[in-house]
Amino acid sequence: KAGVTQTPRYLIKTRGQQVTLSCSPISGHRSVSWYQQTPGQGLQFLFEYFSETQRNKGNFPGRFSGRQFSNSRSEMNVSTLELGDSALYLCASSLEGGYNQPQHFGDGTRLSIL
Amino acid sequence: QKEVEQNSGPLSVPEGAIASLNCTYSDRVSQSFFWYRQYSGKSPELIMSIYSNGDKEDGRFTAQLNKASQYVSLLIRDSQPSDSATYLCAVKAGNNDMRFGAGTRLTVKP
Repeated sequence: KAGVTQTPRYLIKTRGQQVTLSCSPISGHRSVSWYQQTPGQGLQFLFEYFSETQRNKGNFPGRFSGRQFSNSRSEMNVSTLELGDSALYLCASSLEGGYNQPQHFGDGTRLSIL
Repeated sequence: QKEVEQNSGPLSVPEGAIASLNCTYSDRVSQSFFWYRQYSGKSPELIMSIYSNGDKEDGRFTAQLNKASQYVSLLIRDSQPSDSATYLCAVKAGNNDMRFGAGTRLTVKP
């Protein structure tokens, strides 16, 4: 069974640009969560999508947005990039996001802002 | 107070010893608890989940949960150099989103 697939693996952008990251969950998984990981802040929750609806949201500015498609694939968009957005962005999927359903992570997209 | 706190480490143990990793959480309605292992440059990998008070064993790993004390721990018996990684404690809070601790870096010395 294929795991969580994130594309691209690496991305370099400049300040002010926007970026779109993609995540394909494990087959059959309908809940997709996004995280930002930095050395200083650790893993921080961005948002969770289930059945094409944002179900939970972390404390990030509106520049960070996402969506989920009918096949459960998800995209995350960051607009007006800032230097502080440089991070590893991780996507995780679970069956339905229930309390007893662990999340499984993709390899991440490493975003560097110049 | 952070929602999920872990002993900051780094933690260093000799090969064959028991490594003990600790985690406390602030949300009393938390229902599920997970331990992830993250090797440098890699993504987190699930190693244990625990949902009820007590101990849960899986091979060399034992997770312990005490909801009254809002405390969860991970014991690694017979530690191996390949166990050297950062261990992340994760808690699913009342609103069902996952919160992670900052992680504890473990080094197992041969």
